[in-house]
Amino acid sequence: EADIYQTPRYLVIGTGKKITLECSQTMGHDKMYWYQQDPGMELHLIHYSYGVNSTEKGDLSSESTVSRIRTEHFPLTLESARPSHTSQYLCASSIGTGNNQPQHFGDGTRLSIL
Amino acid sequence: SQQGEEDPQALSIQEGENATMNCSYKTSINNLQWYRQNSGRGLVHLILIRSNEREKHSGRLRVTLDTSKKSSSLLITASRAADTASYFCATDRGSNYKLTFGKGTLLTVNP
Repeated sequence: EADIYQTPRYLVIGTGKKITLECSQTMGHDKMYWYQQDPGMELHLIHYSYGVNSTEKGDLSSESTVSRIRTEHFPLTLESARPSHTSQYLCASSIGTGNNQPQHFGDGTRLSIL
Repeated sequence: SQQGEEDPQALSIQEGENATMNCSYKTSINNLQWYRQNSGRGLVHLILIRSNEREKHSGRLRVTLDTSKKSSSLLITASRAADTASYFCATDRGSNYKLTFGKGTLLTVNP
């Protein structure tokens, strides 16, 4: 199993709250990703990072923001949560050399906004 | 545009039978990967096949790639109840490191 950790695993919170989803990896991977996945559906890339101080928006427009101050840490923040943000959020990482590399995933955060 | 599309969406078989899942994609690729996702968990990488490869094996897994038809198949032989999961194909997008995932095939292996 890969060493990538997401906390919390589950979060139920009210509308308007600020939320930070944590993602950490101990493999020294340069590249990190955030995906959004609704039940039974495909993964949509919402943010990615190629290294420290590098962040880019993904394919699916998201009101969330990310930061990459340290190689191992890639948190995702929602400033004001809304019911439409209810989903599962998956963090992944991959090694930086060559594009024939697998991505390693955390177990996700299942977020429910009331 | 949607890249990987798995077929079928759901597959139910008995333990010991083989399971075949297919993936079609639209644009040229450098590689195609297959992942497994158990319920409530993250994805686990199973196998990667490069565009210049036609077949690859890993344990009970066999993956084929037909770039002329833009399709791939994943065969799981002698399936076990523990193989019950969703299986996703993912394609790269050329020279960058991003992947596009399909909607997945939900495989149920009945004991």
